[in-house]
Amino acid sequence: ETGVTQSPTHLIKTRGQQVTLRCSSQSGHNTVSWYQQALGQGPQFIFQYYREEENGRGNFPPRFSGLQFPNYSSELNVNALELDDSALYLCASSFGTGYYTFGSGTRLTVV
Amino acid sequence: RKEVEQDPGPFNVPEGATVAFNCTYSNSASQSFFWYRQDCRKEPKLLMSVYSSGNEDGRFTAQLNRASQYISLLIRDSKLSDSATYLCVVNGAGTASKLTFGTGTRLQVTL
Repeated sequence: ETGVTQSPTHLIKTRGQQVTLRCSSQSGHNTVSWYQQALGQGPQFIFQYYREEENGRGNFPPRFSGLQFPNYSSELNVNALELDDSALYLCASSFGTGYYTFGSGTRLTVV
Repeated sequence: RKEVEQDPGPFNVPEGATVAFNCTYSNSASQSFFWYRQDCRKEPKLLMSVYSSGNEDGRFTAQLNRASQYISLLIRDSKLSDSATYLCVVNGAGTASKLTFGTGTRLQVTL
């Protein structure tokens, strides 16, 4: 059984650019959540996808958007990058509201 | 007030010591509770679930007090390998539930 995989592992972008992060959920999991973890903080909930629909969103602006595909993999898109978007972005998958398994994250640096 | 509050530490303890972490949460409708462990620059990993009846896994004991909205984690006979950040995590109810993390408590076990 494969776990949650995220790509890329590291990324450097310039302020104002757009970025797409990818996540493959664990086999058998149908729910994907995205979290942002700034240095020294706990992960903050961005949004969750279930059956290709967004079904929960945290306190993030609309320039953070996402998709879930029929195979339950997911993308996180961030437009108009700001310096404060620099963080570790974590994807977690679960079957419904069961236990969450996290990917190893994408470390995004905005310069 | 933060939804989940933890003392950020750091807690510096000698090997073999017993250490306790506490956490409070603000949403009385929260349904499930966890402790996650996060090593430096890695993803969070589930350490254990937390129940009102208390649960134990080897040297680790977790306890939930719903009336006080308080969660605890006790680590006995600390090992060097226990050095990490311990995240208190609360899950809401329903299909749009999300994990809400505390900022984490850093533990450093020394010789």
